[in-house]
Amino acid sequence: TQLLEQSPQFLSIQEGENLTVYCNSSSVFSSLQWYRQEPGEGPVLLVTVVTGGEVKKLKRLTFQFGDARKDSSLHITAAQPGDTGLYLCAGGLWGGADGLTFGKGTHLIIQP
Amino acid sequence: EPEVTQTPSHQVTQMGQEVILRCVPISNHLYFYWYRQILGQKVEFLVSFYNNEISEKSEIFDDQFSVERPDGSNFTLKIRSTKLEDSAMYFCASSGAPGTGGKDYGYTFGSGTRLTVV
Repeated sequence: TQLLEQSPQFLSIQEGENLTVYCNSSSVFSSLQWYRQEPGEGPVLLVTVVTGGEVKKLKRLTFQFGDARKDSSLHITAAQPGDTGLYLCAGGLWGGADGLTFGKGTHLIIQP
Repeated sequence: EPEVTQTPSHQVTQMGQEVILRCVPISNHLYFYWYRQILGQKVEFLVSFYNNEISEKSEIFDDQFSVERPDGSNFTLKIRSTKLEDSAMYFCASSGAPGTGGKDYGYTFGSGTRLTVV
């Protein structure tokens, strides 16, 4: 059974600060996806990383896939109140129809 | 931006009743999925569907569950005899051709159906 552990579970910081949240596993995944989920809504895909060591940037968000493809991080620069939300990581395995394994998420609050 | 549409948004049913949750995936996607999320818990995989048949299913997806793509556009999840513990948000998702890279590697999730079993 693959597990993804996300840390921290909760994070509250001031607007303008930088932060990093983590997604760790003892298993190797072929891809790692990051989602953002608003209350009562479905997860919305932010990015997919597929190559060990890969770094992708989405405006102020930087995503990295670990070299061994077991972990990933999400770094937000100069956080804004609009970044408040639940951030989920999800791992996929080889084979197109395999289900994703989700972490429990990091609840992020950016205070003005 | 193409969307995955789910109906109904809320469903309340009595224990033991059958429910059918409906989804319209993105039209050119090849893979279709159902996930559930019990309140306060993580999103859990139920089943994937490809080429008109189940491709993978989790331990949660027991004989009480079934999926169907009856008309080439709709994708349904049926729970034959609901139990209290089936209360959850059920998300449908679709994806393109994994392994090809790019946007199609990720999923598009619907907004979910909140199922309450009483």
